This record gives sequence, structure tokens and C-alpha cells, in this order.
Amino acid sequence: AQRVTQPEKLLSVFKGAPVELKCNYSYSGSPELFWYVQYSRQRLQLLLRHISRESIKGFTADLNKGETSFHLKKPFAQEEDSAMYYCALGGGGAQKLVFGQGTRLTINP
Amino acid sequence: DVKVTQSSRYLVKRTGEKVFLECVQDMDHENMFWYRQDPGLGLRLIYFSYDVKMKEKGDIPEGYSVSREKKERFSLILESASTNQTSMYLCASSLPYRDSEQYFGPGTRLTVT
Repeated sequence: AQRVTQPEKLLSVFKGAPVELKCNYSYSGSPELFWYVQYSRQRLQLLLRHISRESIKGFTADLNKGETSFHLKKPFAQEEDSAMYYCALGGGGAQKLVFGQGTRLTINP
Repeated sequence: DVKVTQSSRYLVKRTGEKVFLECVQDMDHENMFWYRQDPGLGLRLIYFSYDVKMKEKGDIPEGYSVSREKKERFSLILESASTNQTSMYLCASSLPYRDSEQYFGPGTRLTVT
């Protein structure tokens, strides 16, 4: 069965500090991993996907198949990064996603 | 620009009422989804539709049904609303590829009293 775990419900860091949001997954096949973000009073939207291997808004995420992780990182947090972040897992040819429980990130000034 | 709209932002219903939540997308997407979003539980898939009149149960389909008569419209039906169905409901759509982005609507906050 597919499963996504985000161990931190809440994460608070200071502006300018590094940020890492953890995501671990369980899946026996070839995974597709995504990070979605929901800013205050906005709809949920895609932040990045592992297949693209790109940096969005300074965030990166590397798929580590050995550790079954897809942690989201940013070297210098900004106040506008405060949001709810969800890690999501797809795979097996289906287009459905399994979402993690979410991490609320707060960047303190 | 992809647009997914939901019929209501806020809805208050009584226990036992039949409730309809409507979702419309304008990008000709094959896939449409209904999720509920609860604090600490994340997003959980209720139903998924990959084509007109086609549907597949998600992780928590009990107490819900869906209808997709037209490609752009996907309806979620609560046959007899209960208080434990109080939640935020999100609709999404996507193209039919495994790494496709899902586009979300603004959500409907349903309160069942």
C-alpha cells in the first residue's frame, strides 16, 4: 500500500535560516513524488515534482530511493514561505495521489 | 489559465439532508477528484473519475457518491449528511498522465449540524 508520512505537523524557523520539511514514503514500485503548497486564503497548488528536478521559489527536493524520502529544502527562508505544505505520492500507472498529513511552516521575522 | 470552480465556499446543512457539491473545470481534463481536507489528516481521496460516467472509489468513499455526466463537471453527493462529514472539500482535475499536476478548486467548507 502507498503511504506518505510527514513527521512534523508544525515547523517554525526564523527568516534567513535554512528550512527542511521532511517527507517519507512507502511504495514498492517506481514512485512519483510531489510537493504541494497552500498559502493563506489561496488554493492548493503544485510547488514542485521530483521528475522535473527544478528549483521553485528557492525550494528543492531530492528523491532518495534508499531512504524512501523526498525532503523539501530551502537554504534561506523568507516570510512569504509561511504556508501549509503537503507531500504527495503517485505511481503504478495510476494518476491518483496519496497525500501526507501536511506540515504548517511558519517563518518568524 | 486552468480554472477549477466549486459551487459554494461555505455550506451549512442539517443532519440527514442530502447534499450536493458541484465542481467544474474548464481545461478539458479527463481526471477529476474529490478530497476532504482535515487538520492532522491531510487530504484524503473520496472518489476519482477518469472519464465521463467512470468513477473509482478512493480511500474514504463511505457515505458519499459521485456523478460525472459531462466531462467538465464532477458532483459529490452526501446521501444523508452526518456531523462527521463536517470538513473542507476540495475538488481537483488533471490530465491523464502519471506525473500530471492536479489543479485544485478553492474548496467548500461544509458544516453539518
